[in-house]
This record gives sequence, C-alpha cells and structure tokens, in this order.
Amino acid sequence: QQQVKQSPQSLIVQKGGISIINCAYENTAFDYFPWYQQFPGKGPALLIAIRPDVSEKKEGRFTISFNKSAKQFSLHIMDSQPGDSATYFCAARDDRGSTLGRLYFGRGTQLTVWP
Amino acid sequence: KAGVTQTPRYLIKTRGQQVTLSCSPISGHRSVSWYQQTPGQGLQFLFEYFSETQRNKGNFPGRFSGRQFSNSRSEMNVSTLELGDSALYLCASSLTGQGPSYEQYFGPGTRLTVT
Repeated sequence: QQQVKQSPQSLIVQKGGISIINCAYENTAFDYFPWYQQFPGKGPALLIAIRPDVSEKKEGRFTISFNKSAKQFSLHIMDSQPGDSATYFCAARDDRGSTLGRLYFGRGTQLTVWP
Repeated sequence: KAGVTQTPRYLIKTRGQQVTLSCSPISGHRSVSWYQQTPGQGLQFLFEYFSETQRNKGNFPGRFSGRQFSNSRSEMNVSTLELGDSALYLCASSLTGQGPSYEQYFGPGTRLTVT
C-alpha cells in the first residue's frame, strides 16, 4: 500500500515555466514532509521540507504548499531551468515508535525542462 | 562537513553469493537508515539504526541484515543473493532519526548488480 501518492509520473516544462508536482497522503500522524531531488547516478538530495503547522514554505525558486485538511502537499518550481531536470520525490514521516527513522516516499516525478 | 559516504559504489555479484555494503554517516549523526531503490518499487525502507540498535525494520526477508558500530558507521549484508536484489542501495543519516532534528541526508548509493 502506497502511503504517499505522487503525481504526475512525468512532467515536461518549458524553460522559465512553473513546474508543479503533487502528493497526497492518508496517515494523519505524518508530521514532516520533505522533497528530494535526484539526478541520475546520484543519491536523493534534500531540497526543502515543511511541517503541518505551516501552509507554505519558500526557498529560492522552490515552494512547498501544504493543505492539511485535504491531506495534500505540492512542490512548485518557479522559473524552471534545464538544470532542474531530475526526478523529484515527496516523502512523509510518522514519528511514532514503530516507524522511527523511516520516510515513506512517493513514486517520483521525472521532470524535464526544455531550453 | 563531509557528506554521507558509501562503499563500494558499484558491485557485481552472482546469485547465491553474499554482499556487505558500508555507510559512513555525516559526522555527529547517530541515526542511519537504509533504503533499496528500484525502478519497479521505488524507494523501499530496509531498516534504521541508532546507537548500535536496530529501531525499525521494513518488510524485507531475513536475508537482509545490518548493524551499526560505536562510531555510527553502518553495514548492511545481503545473503544468498537473488536476481531481484539488483538495485541501488541508499544509506541516509540523521542526527537522531526522530523529533525536530530529523532531516535525512542520503549518500550516493551502492549499485548492486546480481547476475
């Protein structure tokens, strides 16, 4: 059972455009929601993260929007650049004893930014 | 500060053999989590260690095991390798693996190919 559902599976955006990736979850015990960026041949790199007491967090061109009531969160990449072409993963954490130290990941979105 | 390091980076093994992968966390981090990444299943949690103790385990067979040393370095072992074990094995470190200081940072991974 996929605890975090991510869409779309792939996304093509023109340079300068906005890339939007969405994630949804059911477990209301999730209390931490990071996004990771992964280039081919590399490990995932932590991009930005949010906690459920905040509705939006912005770091440079990257913004997380969080909707607690809808149990959804999304990553917005403004002014997308070819260098942003990578696979993006959303994730969530449930900080209870039985799930310590574990992140639940979405299936990933392959983003391609055309120059 | 040096990031998470994993050795070896690439490994080719034959079915039935066993393999040991190594992970050195970021200095000061005491939690190490292991994940398996495949195109079909995405990022799957294997186990997490903190202060030499396994705190959490994912749904993998007993052929997958791990340990953590007093310096927080961790190893994972896969015995009786199967073709389906071919994957990228990722190690992630965190200060404590729980609470506010939770950010998980990934290493570059070990690409295991089983023939």
